[in-house]
Amino acid sequence: KNEVEQSPQNLTAQEGEFITINCSYSVGISALHWLQQHPGGGIVSLFMLSSGKKKHGRLIATINIQEKHSSLHITASHPRDSAVYICAVHAQTSGSRLTFGEGTQLTVNP
Amino acid sequence: NAGVTQTPKFQVLKTGQSMTLQCAQDMNHNSMYWYRQDPGMGLRLIYYSASEGTTDKGEVPNGYNVSRLNKREFSLRLESAAPSQTSVYFCASRFIPGLAGGSSYNEQFFGPGTRLTVL
Repeated sequence: KNEVEQSPQNLTAQEGEFITINCSYSVGISALHWLQQHPGGGIVSLFMLSSGKKKHGRLIATINIQEKHSSLHITASHPRDSAVYICAVHAQTSGSRLTFGEGTQLTVNP
Repeated sequence: NAGVTQTPKFQVLKTGQSMTLQCAQDMNHNSMYWYRQDPGMGLRLIYYSASEGTTDKGEVPNGYNVSRLNKREFSLRLESAAPSQTSVYFCASRFIPGLAGGSSYNEQFFGPGTRLTVL
C-alpha cells in the first residue's frame, strides 16, 4: 500500500462544477503539498500546508492531521484547470524528502 | 530569474550509451533533487543533495550517479543506459533554513523535465 493515496485517479467535470480531490496518507507528516502538472509536463506548487485551510483564487486546500487526510477543492472549474493534481507529504521520518501520490487526472469540459 | 532549468528536454539513447542530465537553479536554494516519473506511478526520488557537498540515495538510485557541482548545479548521470530507464526526469530545488529558525518545509520548485527514451 502506498504511503500517499489519492482519489479519484481520474475525474471528468463540466465547466463550472465544484471539484474535490482527496489525499490520504498513512505516516506522520510535517507538511503536505499540492502540486499541479500541466499537460505540457511542467510541475508547479499550489499549496503547502500543515494545518487548517489555505485559499488561492478558486483553489482551496484543507488538511485534517488527526484523520491523515487532505482535500483540494476547485470552485467554478474551467477547462484551463485540466491537469494532473499531485499530493505529496513530508513524512516526519524522511527529512527533507517528499513522498508523492500517483496523481489525479482532471479534465474539465466546456 | 530562470528558476530551475534542465537540459536536454528530449533525448533518445541506445542501450549501453551514457549521458548526463544537467540541472541548474538560480534561486540560491541549498537542496536539490532528481526524480523520475513513470506512467501509473508517482514521482520517485532518485538522488538528492541536501546541501552543497552532500548527496544521498533516494528510492530508486540503481543505475544512476549524481554530482553536486556547486550550489547551483546538480547533474544526473546514466553510465550504461537501459530500457528500464526510459522515463521523464525532473530536477527540483528548495531552500531549507538552518536550525536557527524558520520553517523547514518550503515550497519545492521543479524544472521542465527531460523526456528520455532508451531503445
